[in-house]
Amino acid sequence: SYELTQPPSVSVSPGQTARITCSGDALPKQYAYWFQQKPGQAPVEVIYKDTQRPSGIPERFSGSSSGTTVTLTISGVQAEDEADYYCQSVDTTDTYYVFGTGTKVTVL
Amino acid sequence: QVQLVQSGAEVKKPGASVKVSCKASGYLFTDYYFHWVRQAPGQGLEWMGWINPHSGGTDYAQKFQGRVTMTRDTSIGTTYMELSSLRYDDTAVYYCAREKTGRPFGYWGQGTLVTVPS
Repeated sequence: SYELTQPPSVSVSPGQTARITCSGDALPKQYAYWFQQKPGQAPVEVIYKDTQRPSGIPERFSGSSSGTTVTLTISGVQAEDEADYYCQSVDTTDTYYVFGTGTKVTVL
Repeated sequence: QVQLVQSGAEVKKPGASVKVSCKASGYLFTDYYFHWVRQAPGQGLEWMGWINPHSGGTDYAQKFQGRVTMTRDTSIGTTYMELSSLRYDDTAVYYCAREKTGRPFGYWGQGTLVTVPS
């Protein structure tokens, strides 16, 4: 089955930049989406179609794509950004949806 | 505005079935697909499948085929996810999510905790 691989954790000091990668063989052909999830809450979309930011999401969140890897960047990290982050995409057959393994972002 | 309101928490015995509902409001119910996603305690997000509320058509993740059924009732704007032959490792929060103009998981319900005691 198709998998999206993320680092388990990323630690960053306030005001610094956090980068979270997501790797998958189908990513050159399929869009990626990013979700933020805080404890006890439903996920919230922070990036869609690789690089697009939904309305209401702060400008410090951005997305990029290169080959089989997509990256979520949080510039000028704030304490409120501490959360779990998941990438999401579909397999090469455009049939099955999959979420990444998840990355816990800790703000030091 | 779009709202997805799910049914309340459930406790089920191993081998039983559970049916979780997701009531949508704020738009035309049949216009957008629904997905179901689950999250076991301390674990990541797991996609279960989708339903087309207009046609009733479905597609399920291979892991759940034969055990999951997604349905809808257009008269009350509600979609359902039923999981059968429950096991301890089906203990999870189950979410419904709605497509948002080409974005599969644009809106989320609040989640429903299903507990299957060991």
